[in-house]
Amino acid sequence: DTAVSQTPKYLVTQMGNDKSIKCEQNLGHDTMYWYKQDSKKFLKIMFSYNNKELIINETVPNRFSPKSPDKAHLNLHINSLELGDSAVYFCASSQILQGEGEQFFGPGTRLTVL
Amino acid sequence: KNEVEQSPQNLTAQEGEFITINCSYSVGISALHWLQQHPGGGIVSLFMLSSGKKKHGRLIATINIQEKHSSLHITASHPRDSAVYICAVAGNQFYFGTGTSLTVIP
Repeated sequence: DTAVSQTPKYLVTQMGNDKSIKCEQNLGHDTMYWYKQDSKKFLKIMFSYNNKELIINETVPNRFSPKSPDKAHLNLHINSLELGDSAVYFCASSQILQGEGEQFFGPGTRLTVL
Repeated sequence: KNEVEQSPQNLTAQEGEFITINCSYSVGISALHWLQQHPGGGIVSLFMLSSGKKKHGRLIATINIQEKHSSLHITASHPRDSAVYICAVAGNQFYFGTGTSLTVIP
């Protein structure tokens, strides 16, 4: 039974397109996150949601918009994709807000923008 | 300069060796996380700690809040421990280290 799932696992698309990555957790956690891992394997937080409310929005272009229809889902929409958006995107969840709870990660979505 | 520095960046060990990975941070934190990223890309949380020491099997994590330093130790290392180990700190924001790539040779 997968705790944090993401779809799709791989996403290849052209520059300028709009795409979405879905994330679902079945752990009953209140907090969900999106992270970006670049080509140098450096992880950076993008967004943090607690009970469907945005808590952290790091310096992310507004082409990226998270949407949380309920506390089990946090989807990531990306408009007007650029080459630099190519990365692996990880969704995660934790029971406690911010970094004070153990984080459970999804398997990642590898986005390639051509 | 990164808020979180890890050392070493790369580490190769013989099976059975005792391994230490270090993490230093420069910001105030509420918790420190050690993560493991497998060669296949998946990320697993190993430890979350805010003081003292924690142990899971052959893994031990320690933190010294005054010195802003944490260490991850692996006893009796095994080839399956080969992975990237990432230190992350939670304060006002989340900050990640650049990771330590560990290879354990049989």
